[in-house]
Amino acid sequence: GENVEQHPSTLSVQEGDSAVIKCTYSDSASNYFPWYKQELGKRPQLIIDIRSNVGEKKDQRIAVTLNKTAKHFSLHITETQPEDSAVYFCAAPMDTGRRALTFGSGTRLQVQP
Amino acid sequence: DAGITQSPRYKITETGRQVTLMCHQTWSHSYMFWYRQDLGHGLRLIYYSAAADITDKGEVPDGYVVSRSKTENFPLTLESATRSQTSVYFCASSETERGIYGYTFGSGTRLTVV
Repeated sequence: GENVEQHPSTLSVQEGDSAVIKCTYSDSASNYFPWYKQELGKRPQLIIDIRSNVGEKKDQRIAVTLNKTAKHFSLHITETQPEDSAVYFCAAPMDTGRRALTFGSGTRLQVQP
Repeated sequence: DAGITQSPRYKITETGRQVTLMCHQTWSHSYMFWYRQDLGHGLRLIYYSAAADITDKGEVPDGYVVSRSKTENFPLTLESATRSQTSVYFCASSETERGIYGYTFGSGTRLTVV
């Protein structure tokens, strides 16, 4: 099955700076990579995703890039704001037989005002 | 989203007791999932269901039982609760038409086993 590793576990940036979170995956057949944001005490919510037929996807201040050769994908947040402070999770399909996601261990992002 | 609800929000139970966590969705989504969230481990899949009466194990199924007699409900039962099952439990659903990985999570149940 798929193994997803996420780094760093914590990230602190100044407001206005950029933040980058990286995930690696093991199964070269994986074809879908979502990112979830979880604010304190809340449920995880999908913020952006990318499929393996594209290398980059943007949505305002957030973007995801995918490198299939190296088997890693990254979340980029530009012009960070205090409301970006949360835990971010990457994920990938667990395996071809089970239609479920396996998640990374999470990155706690803190944006300092 | 009000479309997927979990109950209770908080539960304290004693070691050895049976406890059931409820999950209800109003969209008629085919797929439903149970994850547990523990510090340092992210979200780990316990069980999932592709449709009514179809369930399958995830990464950490031991000590848990699920059923899905109706599409909208997916209860999770801890047969004999242990302290290691203290966790936050999230239910999620997704629909095949939009993509089986388009999860919507419930608000979670914080379970403490004492």
